[in-house]
Amino acid sequence: AQSVTQPDIHITVSEGASLELRCNYSYGATPYLFWYVQSPGQGLQLLLKYFSGDTLVQGIKGFEAEFKRSQSSFNLRKPSVHWSDAAEYFCAVGEGSARQLTFGSGTQLTVLP
Amino acid sequence: DAGVTQSPTHLIKTRGQQVTLRCSPKSGHDTVSWYQQALGQGPQFIFQYYEEEERQRGNFPDRFSGHQFPNYSSELNVNALLLGDSALYLCASSLAGTGNSPLHFGNGTRLTVT
Repeated sequence: AQSVTQPDIHITVSEGASLELRCNYSYGATPYLFWYVQSPGQGLQLLLKYFSGDTLVQGIKGFEAEFKRSQSSFNLRKPSVHWSDAAEYFCAVGEGSARQLTFGSGTQLTVLP
Repeated sequence: DAGVTQSPTHLIKTRGQQVTLRCSPKSGHDTVSWYQQALGQGPQFIFQYYEEEERQRGNFPDRFSGHQFPNYSSELNVNALLLGDSALYLCASSLAGTGNSPLHFGNGTRLTVT
């Protein structure tokens, strides 16, 4: 069975600084990979997805992620963080489809002014 | 274009009771999935409905059941509630087909069991 690890429970960055959130997965074949963001009291919003092809994917709100098969990683990056990016971020993997996802436990992002 | 809508937003129940949560998928979507998100955790897959049938199921007991209606809306039922069922229940919709259609989530129903 697949699994997802987000090693950082909480990350604090200053506004304008760069951001990288780590995600490692365990899955035999080529996975379907996702990053979602959740604001307090809200559902999950899709930031970006990877199915195949170019390993660097662009998402909404200036986010990007890179799929590295050799490291089983799909890290999320943003060059300059805005205060509105403060939220919880979830990495997820799908086994052969985008429907049944296994989520990591999330990384809480705090942005300092 | 309406997204995924869920009702109610909050619910308080007593142990042993039964609860029904409702979900309307995003316009144009025909598949509904339900996830349970305990406090401080990532969402966990409960089951998925397509063409009014349960197609996939996660590791949840039979106390959790569901239904999908001809208009693609869905219900999640939980019987004999336990304190551990307290969580945010998220509904997600997608479009059947190649499997590449990403999930669109609603804002969830917060269930508290006392």
